[in-house]
Amino acid sequence: GAGVSQSPSNKVTEKGKDVELRCDPISGHTALYWYRQSLGQGLEFLIYFQGNSAPDKSGLPSDRFSAERTGGSVSTLTIQRTQQEDSAVYLCASSSRTGGSYEQYFGPGTRLTVT
Amino acid sequence: GENVEQHPSTLSVQEGDSAVIKCTYSDSASNYFPWYKQELGKRPQLIIDIRSNVGEKKDQRIAVTLNKTAKHFSLHITETQPEDSAVYFCATYFGNEKLTFGTGTRLTIIP
Repeated sequence: GAGVSQSPSNKVTEKGKDVELRCDPISGHTALYWYRQSLGQGLEFLIYFQGNSAPDKSGLPSDRFSAERTGGSVSTLTIQRTQQEDSAVYLCASSSRTGGSYEQYFGPGTRLTVT
Repeated sequence: GENVEQHPSTLSVQEGDSAVIKCTYSDSASNYFPWYKQELGKRPQLIIDIRSNVGEKKDQRIAVTLNKTAKHFSLHITETQPEDSAVYFCATYFGNEKLTFGTGTRLTIIP
């Protein structure tokens, strides 16, 4: 079946502009995660959605970052007033979290460049 | 707080030799320990995982060992091949179901 998809694959924006990144998780997966990966670095947790529960926003680096998940499926990550340090690959992952399954399936990522 | 330490950060191994990457974690309640492989320019993918009720799990040339008392787990790759070159991340779930990743190990297989 279809895996996790993200759009756009690449985004170049000017400093100060807002951007929206989209994630389509695997159908039926109740858990959805956003991570940020700077060049050559590890995976920085941003936010976690699980079903209808309140999201875990503990990883968001500033109030310029926000995320929504509509209808328990598609998610958008919004970065307002982008800064150069926001340049990174933003990865989305989903997980079924049922039947003892913990595996996270990652999307291809969105490469964000802030000029 | 939640913490996963991973060593080494880089590792070069002659083709055919073994590679070992180690991670330590802080929360004794952690019960699931996956390893992800990320090839250059690609997304991370799960290669093996282990739960806290077993001490070792093997899948062909890859194995993971877990020592819950010492709170560390390791990835072992035997008979390494060029396609094993990648960045490897360990991870563990903490009580709030958030998967915390280690900082990664860049493995290079020397032909």
